[in-house]
Amino acid sequence: EAGVTQSPTHLIKTRGQQATLRCSPISGHTSVYWYQQALGLGLQFLLWYDEGEERNRGNFPPRFSGRQFPNYSSELNVNALELEDSALYLCASSLWSHNEQFFGPGTRLTVL
Amino acid sequence: KQEVTQIPAALSVPEGENLVLNCSFTDSAIYNLQWFRQDPGKGLTSLLLIQSSQREQTSGRLNASLDKSSGRSTLYIAASQPGDSATYLCAVSPNAGGTSYGKLTFGQGTILTVHP
Repeated sequence: EAGVTQSPTHLIKTRGQQATLRCSPISGHTSVYWYQQALGLGLQFLLWYDEGEERNRGNFPPRFSGRQFPNYSSELNVNALELEDSALYLCASSLWSHNEQFFGPGTRLTVL
Repeated sequence: KQEVTQIPAALSVPEGENLVLNCSFTDSAIYNLQWFRQDPGKGLTSLLLIQSSQREQTSGRLNASLDKSSGRSTLYIAASQPGDSATYLCAVSPNAGGTSYGKLTFGQGTILTVHP
């Protein structure tokens, strides 16, 4: 069974640009979560999608947004990139909201 | 607001030692607790999940315990090996409802080095 997949592996952008990160959950999982792991800040919850709806978001500005598609894959968009957005972005999926979360390999975003 | 603390921040041991990693959380209203392993620059690998009604879970050389009332969990690694070297993270999932619904709150992790 394939795990959570994320693309691209690495992404380099300049300040002010937009970044789009993608995630495919484990087959059968309907919940998708996004987390940011910035150097020295630990893992911070960004967004939770379930059945196509945003269910919760962390303490991040509105320029962090996303969506979940009918096949349960998800996209994270970061607009007006700032240098401090440089981080490893991790996607996770679960069968339902309180079940075990399984993580993908992450997308390393570098903002220059 | 839930806060998760892991002690120690770093640990270096010789191969073969048994070791204990500690995790504490401030709000006991949790649904479950997960222990993860992260290799440098990689994603997280789930090691053990303990439901709030459980006291412990075991997988191979790993044993995790949970004392919800005191807000503590420990991860016990038996007969450590160099391949166990990684960062170990614990994370708690809140009960349903409220602003924290659906998210995991992570500790800062324990960096483990097992040397031959």
